[in-house]
Amino acid sequence: EPEVTQTPSHQVTQMGQEVILRCVPISNHLYFYWYRQILGQKVEFLVSFYNNEISEKSEIFDDQFSVERPDGSNFTLKIRSTKLEDSAMYFCASSEAPRGGETQYFGPGTRLLVL
Amino acid sequence: AQKITQTQPGMFVQEKEAVTLDCTYDTSDPSYGLFWYKQPSSGEMIFLIYQGSYDQQNATEGRYSLNFQKARKSANLVISASQLGDSAMYFCAMREGPPGGGNKLTFGTGTQLKVEL
Repeated sequence: EPEVTQTPSHQVTQMGQEVILRCVPISNHLYFYWYRQILGQKVEFLVSFYNNEISEKSEIFDDQFSVERPDGSNFTLKIRSTKLEDSAMYFCASSEAPRGGETQYFGPGTRLLVL
Repeated sequence: AQKITQTQPGMFVQEKEAVTLDCTYDTSDPSYGLFWYKQPSSGEMIFLIYQGSYDQQNATEGRYSLNFQKARKSANLVISASQLGDSAMYFCAMREGPPGGGNKLTFGTGTQLKVEL
């Protein structure tokens, strides 16, 4: 069964460093999303992406964040200068094209720890 | 106001019993979707079940069913015949707007379910 994959599974970085989190969405899906979950808290929406551009972003998704679809399979989230409060689990998700199913399928997550 | 409210931070159920996890939602949009996800201790988010606002019947997927009461704005998850592997955090989520638009999900705070022998 197709699934969303994410790399790395864990990342430890120093405050101020740049990190890139990678995702490979399900191959026939056209909508992509990033969410994050701070430890013990609920899942929060960051950004959605369709047709090579951002469709919606939350207040959390400030200038330090960017997303990219560098090729036909990968979808990345970059944090330019990490802060302590960026420590969280980051989930990538994808869903099908408009006439298909709308369920968002999540990847296993990348656990980011900023020291 | 919270868009998704899950009032049970923790629930216990005996193996083989049924359990209901509560979820209420708040939206003024006539078209919306409600989802339940399971998050085991390993951390991944597993989709369980979906209910659209215009669906006439309650959704069912195997041992999972969704008790959708539109007038009460509730979408409770019922797990029948609980198994030890059902022990996990369960999140209710909502998409506002018509399906197929790639709209974001808004999540509740979750319910930690523990299945006991």
